[in-house]
Amino acid sequence: NAGVMQNPRHLVRRRGQEARLRCSPMKGHSHVYWYRQLPEEGLKFMVYLQKENIIDESGMPKERFSAEFPKEGPSILRIQQVVRGDSAAYFCASSPGISQETQYFGPGTRLLVL
Amino acid sequence: QQQVKQSPQSLIVQKGGISIINCAYENTAFDYFPWYQQFPGKGPALLIAIRPDVSEKKEGRFTISFNKSAKQFSLHIMDSQPGDSATYFCAASMRSSASKIIFGSGTRLSIRP
Repeated sequence: NAGVMQNPRHLVRRRGQEARLRCSPMKGHSHVYWYRQLPEEGLKFMVYLQKENIIDESGMPKERFSAEFPKEGPSILRIQQVVRGDSAAYFCASSPGISQETQYFGPGTRLLVL
Repeated sequence: QQQVKQSPQSLIVQKGGISIINCAYENTAFDYFPWYQQFPGKGPALLIAIRPDVSEKKEGRFTISFNKSAKQFSLHIMDSQPGDSATYFCAASMRSSASKIIFGSGTRLSIRP
């Protein structure tokens, strides 16, 4: 039973470029969460999505960041015009439903902005 | 109010000893308190979790102690082993907030052989 999958595992971008991070939830999971982890810090919630819906984006920066979870395919976290401060590990988690608090995390995408 | 405060930042324990990590929270609406273990280069993995109606939960060598009145909870790792060396995060969530998880800042645990 495959776990949460994220790709790419490592991504290098130059300032001003776009970064696209993909997340495929565990089989049977319809809820996806994105978190960001800065070096030596805990994870910070960014956004919570269900299929075709953004449920809570209170942790997302207002500009340059967007997320989607289409009916078909993986969830995408998109960062436009990246800056050095966007360098971090981005983790995706999934759960079967809102009544299930347990979230299962993927291995993360390490984004480095040069 | 949404914060979860974790200490210590780092911890060194001899093999066979007891590792203790402490956390505190302010928001009494939190109703689920998981602990996650993270190895370098990996995603966090759920270790053990507790609800506020229980004062203690034990799974193998891992025990959560929960003090609702003090708004504090702690992780105890008994008979600590080198394989336990990792970063540990306490966390909290509430159903009314779409179950997003609020993480502590993490404790880097090293077990000396």
